[in-house]
Amino acid sequence: SAVISQKPSRDICQRGTSLTIQCQVDSQVTMMFWYRQQPGQSLTLIATANQGSEATYESGFVIDKFPISRPNLTFSTLTVSNMSPEDSSIYLCSVKRDSGDGYTFGSGTRLTVV
Amino acid sequence: GDSVTQMEGPVTLSEEAFLTINCTYTATGYPSLFWYVQYPGEGLQLLLKATKADDKGSNKGFEATYRKETTSFHLEKGSVQVSDSAVYFCALSESGNQFYFGTGTSLTVIP
Repeated sequence: SAVISQKPSRDICQRGTSLTIQCQVDSQVTMMFWYRQQPGQSLTLIATANQGSEATYESGFVIDKFPISRPNLTFSTLTVSNMSPEDSSIYLCSVKRDSGDGYTFGSGTRLTVV
Repeated sequence: GDSVTQMEGPVTLSEEAFLTINCTYTATGYPSLFWYVQYPGEGLQLLLKATKADDKGSNKGFEATYRKETTSFHLEKGSVQVSDSAVYFCALSESGNQFYFGTGTSLTVIP
């Protein structure tokens, strides 16, 4: 299965600042997904990122707050902008393998906003 | 809308004990069902899946059967090991793109 390198693994940030999370995949994939896991809650899909097109955001998430880049078939970034303590979560990227219906997840970025 | 309700943890078991983690779902159509596992410091990994009613997914001694009549997909293992200590997530997907996850159940197995 695909191997995903996600970084940073964790960070503590000041409110009002922005953090960019990177996700590198060891093979080319068409679809990449960004999830958020707030404390004590389940994973929630933020957006779907396809190479060469604008990301598609789920209800409750907007591009100004969570801009996403997808410059090629192996890389994507998610930026958490103008952070507040409510953004403290684990953020995960995921890819759908083109060869089948399997999904692989990154190890996650644990973000704490103070 | 689609959703997954998962047994709350944490769960602590002795080695070789029997494990059940309950999972029920709500879906508008006919979803595929999954169990993912997250070991400490690692990403989520697919543990097993079932794509239609009465299918049984199995892997590493874990099993789960897709029960449409009870809308359930409970995870079981007959004899847990210390190495099974992890967080387990039940999930469903109808479209094959978007997943709906449960809140996760933390399992600790003590020697």
